[in-house]
Amino acid sequence: GQSLEQPSEVTAVEGAIVQINCTYQTSGFYGLSWYQQHDGGAPTFLSYNALDGLEETGRFSSFLSRSDSYGYLLLQELQMKDSASYFCAVRTGANNLFFGTGTRLTVIP
Amino acid sequence: SAVISQKPSRDICQRGTSLTIQCQVDSQVTMMFWYRQQPGQSLTLIATANQGSEATYESGFVIDKFPISRPNLTFSTLTVSNMSPEDSSIYLCSAPRDGTGGNEQFFGPGTRLTVL
Repeated sequence: GQSLEQPSEVTAVEGAIVQINCTYQTSGFYGLSWYQQHDGGAPTFLSYNALDGLEETGRFSSFLSRSDSYGYLLLQELQMKDSASYFCAVRTGANNLFFGTGTRLTVIP
Repeated sequence: SAVISQKPSRDICQRGTSLTIQCQVDSQVTMMFWYRQQPGQSLTLIATANQGSEATYESGFVIDKFPISRPNLTFSTLTVSNMSPEDSSIYLCSAPRDGTGGNEQFFGPGTRLTVL
């Protein structure tokens, strides 16, 4: 079967750095994506990694190790508005996305 | 960036009835996708809506229960048929962003369905 595992909850202090891990086991792999979803909102795209290494986009960075079937999302200089759920997702086919279990991030003052 | 709208935003339905959810994209897209998300849970792909051909369903989802239409490159509908309380969920449509090879998807705001 296919699985993507993430921590269910993470709490961090405003201004700090937090890392959300994702380990995957899928039948196909094109790349690893990250999506943010605020309560009651739609998922919004954050990043995509097809190759090993670190991708940086502003305060957010995403890392992939294909040999370890592992990736993470790094959020720096945390802000209160970063409180949301974060999903990793594996692109398993031409356009198919298989989503992880989601991590609820709570940023505290 | 594509903008996706869905109607209705929410509905409360009686068991045994059907509901059709509409999804409109403000630009032409080759593929559209339908997901289901239980509150606080992950997203599960129901099917891929292909323009000009039948939808492709994921394991555990069948056309009789979730018929899909895709009459053109900007519009799709998902019908939840013969509903039961287990169908209570948020239904989202999405489309790939052009030029990303499908690596990035835009999502609609979702339809929150409650079945009594």
